[in-house]
Amino acid sequence: EVQLEESGGGLVKPGGSLRLSCAASGITFRSYHMTWVRQAPGKGLEWVSSISSSTTNIYYADSVKGRFTISRDNARNSMNLQMNSLRAEDTAVYYCATYGNTSDPLDHWGQGTLVIVSS
Amino acid sequence: SYVLTQPPSVSVAPGQTARIPCGRDNIGSKSVHWYQQMSGQAPVLVVYDDSDRPSGIPERFSGSNSGDTATLTISRVEAGDEADYYCQVWDRSGNHWVFGGGTKLTVL
Repeated sequence: EVQLEESGGGLVKPGGSLRLSCAASGITFRSYHMTWVRQAPGKGLEWVSSISSSTTNIYYADSVKGRFTISRDNARNSMNLQMNSLRAEDTAVYYCATYGNTSDPLDHWGQGTLVIVSS
Repeated sequence: SYVLTQPPSVSVAPGQTARIPCGRDNIGSKSVHWYQQMSGQAPVLVVYDDSDRPSGIPERFSGSNSGDTATLTISRVEAGDEADYYCQVWDRSGNHWVFGGGTKLTVL
């Protein structure tokens, strides 16, 4: 059974930093591309960033480019999202998910971790 | 920016058919995926590549995609289908994943 577990969320002040992690089990992690999707309270889903299985291809939404950095450690079956210069509008539940190729669906999702940016 | 348009809400009586549209110029040229999100839970893939179903998803869930509109169809709607539904595509020109704004399905 595929399991994705996010961690690292919490309360942070505007301008602060936070590092999210996504731990994977039940899959050959190094074969999967990974992505982060977020959902602000009461709002819809918003894609944040994606990283290919070998880290060759990395993509960011315009809203986070230059502030967030995605990475992965295939030896540890984990993916990270370093979030800097956080803003109130970054407040959201952050989900990690897997995908096959860029046009493929996001087929496995974690349960999410909540990030609150507030003074 | 690439925008997918969904109605905010759709209401249907139990046993009837719900149709949730997702609109964008020439969306028929793309592979559309649909996700169900129950209140307080993570999204779940219910239809991929326009009309395929993952294992474990009931046959009542189906999809179509042509021209400017992709549609998620839920037949014989049950109370347990009440959820938010999102369409999603890959935007090759911008190297972005794009979600529709979501549609809240209410079972009357």
